Amino acid sequence: GENVEQHPSTLSVQEGDSAVIKCTYSDSASNYFPWYKQELGKGPQLIIDIRSNVGEKKDQRIAVTLNKTAKHFSLHITETQPEDSAVYFCAATTDSWGKLQFGAGTQVVVTP
Amino acid sequence: DTGVSQNPRHKITKRGQNVTFRCDPISEHNRLYWYRQTLGQGPEFLTYFQNEAQLEKSRLLSDRFSAERPKGSFSTLEIQRTEQGDSAMYLCASSFRSNQPQHFGDGTRLSIL
Repeated sequence: GENVEQHPSTLSVQEGDSAVIKCTYSDSASNYFPWYKQELGKGPQLIIDIRSNVGEKKDQRIAVTLNKTAKHFSLHITETQPEDSAVYFCAATTDSWGKLQFGAGTQVVVTP
Repeated sequence: DTGVSQNPRHKITKRGQNVTFRCDPISEHNRLYWYRQTLGQGPEFLTYFQNEAQLEKSRLLSDRFSAERPKGSFSTLEIQRTEQGDSAMYLCASSFRSNQPQHFGDGTRLSIL
């Protein structure tokens, strides 16, 4: 089955700097890669997703890149703000309507 | 806009007791998913439904676990004879159709005494 590894496990950045989180996946058939943000006591909230027919997608300060050859994808957050502090999860699946395989998460702390 | 609703938010029970959680998906969402999340880990897939049909179950879903979605709307997840290892956050998600993302509820946190 699919295996997703996520790095780093913790990330501390100064407000205004950029944050990058990287994930690798094992199943070359995976074709859908969502990113979720989870705040304390809350469920995961979708922030951006990308499909295998696209190499990059951007939404305001958030961008995701996908390298199918290397089987890795990354989340980029620019101009970080304190409200970006949360745990971020990447996920992968061979069927966007099926089960998601999640990474272990990255705790992002943005310090003022 | 009503999101995925889960009840209760927190359940504390003694080992050996049965517990049941409820999930109300976003209206008209055909697929409903259950995941389990332990501290410091990402959610792990348990099972999912399309309408009332249970399409897939993870090996994590032992015989003590059962899930239903009787009328294709809300779903229940029951754990019988709870064990310490069942302590976790149980998350529900729903999606409308193929190529649409999964939206999660805020989960039910289960604590086993």
